[in-house]
Order: sequence, then C-alpha cells, then structure tokens
Amino acid sequence: AQKVTQAQTEISVVEKEDVTLDCVYETRDTTYYLFWYKQPPSGELVFLIRRNSFDEQNEISGRYSWNFQKSTSSFNFTITASQVVDSAVYFCALLTQGGSEKLVFGKGTKLTVNP
Amino acid sequence: DGGITQSPKYLFRKEGQNVTLSCEQNLNHDAMYWYRQDPGQGLRLIYYSQIVNDFQKGDIAEGYSVSREKKESFPLTVTSAQKNPTAFYLCASSMRGEKLTGTEAFFGQGTRLTVV
Repeated sequence: AQKVTQAQTEISVVEKEDVTLDCVYETRDTTYYLFWYKQPPSGELVFLIRRNSFDEQNEISGRYSWNFQKSTSSFNFTITASQVVDSAVYFCALLTQGGSEKLVFGKGTKLTVNP
Repeated sequence: DGGITQSPKYLFRKEGQNVTLSCEQNLNHDAMYWYRQDPGQGLRLIYYSQIVNDFQKGDIAEGYSVSREKKESFPLTVTSAQKNPTAFYLCASSMRGEKLTGTEAFFGQGTRLTVV
C-alpha cells in the first residue's frame, strides 16, 4: 500500500532561519512520482516540484531545495532564509504508476515564519 | 488555458439534501481524484478514476458517489448518508506517465461546502 508520512505537524521559525520539512514514503512500485505542494491560507494547492523514482538528483530552485533519497524513502524539502510569505501548509504526495495508480498525500506540515 | 475547474467555490446546502460538486479538466488527463480536507487536516482521498467509466473508492468513500462518463468530467455527489459533509473539497487530475516521463497532478481551486 502507498503511504506518505509527514511527521512534523507544525513548525515555527523566525524569518531568515533555514527550515527542513520531512517526508517519508512507502510504496512497492518501482515507478512513482513524488510531489511537494504549498497550500496558503486561501486554500488552493500550489505545485512546487515533481520528482520521478528514476531521478535521485537533488534540486535547487531559489531558496527551495529538495533532497530525494531512495535508500531511506525520503523526499525532504528545505527552505533557506525563510520569509513570512513562506508561511503555509506544505504537503508531500506520492503518485504511483503501477497496478494501482493513486495519488496519496501526507497530512501536511504547517509552517509559520515569524518576523 | 488548460486547467481544472471546480464549481462553485462556495456551496451551502441544507442537511439531508444531496449535492453535486463539479470538476472539469481540459488537460487530457486520464486520472482524476477527489479529496476532502477538514480544518487543520491533510487531504483524504474520497474517490479516484484512472479511465472513463471506471473509478475506485479511496479511504473515505462512504456517503459519496462519483461518475466518470467523460474523460473531462468527474462530478462528486455528497449524499445525505455522509454524516459530516461540511469540508473543503479538492479535485485533481494527472496523466499516466511512461517511465522517465514527468507527470504532474493539477488541482482545482476547491469547493467549500457548508451544510446547515
């Protein structure tokens, strides 16, 4: 069965601090995709990144970086020099492409960046 | 522009009434999903569909029904059997990707359903 675990329910940091959001996934499929989404207070989900299971390269996009490690089934997300606008709920998600294709989400991590 | 449209954004219904939430996509995506989100909670999968005329129950399907008569459309009906229907509902769609081909899930803007 597919499962995504985001162990951190809430994180609070002060502006300019670095923060890492953890994501651990479970799947028996060899082909799958991992995502991070941001949900601001308005409610819509904003796509941040997609990674497929065959590409373990880490990625950096501005202040955001992602560390994908298949050996530990983790796909962690780091925000460098956090800003107040980063305050949101962040979801990690897993889309499998095997026999049972399903998009499942972690429970989300609420990040609060204080000025 | 391609995307997913959910309507309406806000919906009010009286207890005991069925209500249908609309989800339309013009991305030519094969798979579509419905999620429910309660305040301060994550997204829980209600139903999903990988192809037309086929759909599967998610983790919390009781009290809900769906149909997939067209590739573009995946309406969700919240029936009177759903004990706690007030929530934020999100629809998503994705493409079935071949190996090494990216696939991305796109989301609608959500429908906030309030049952009074």
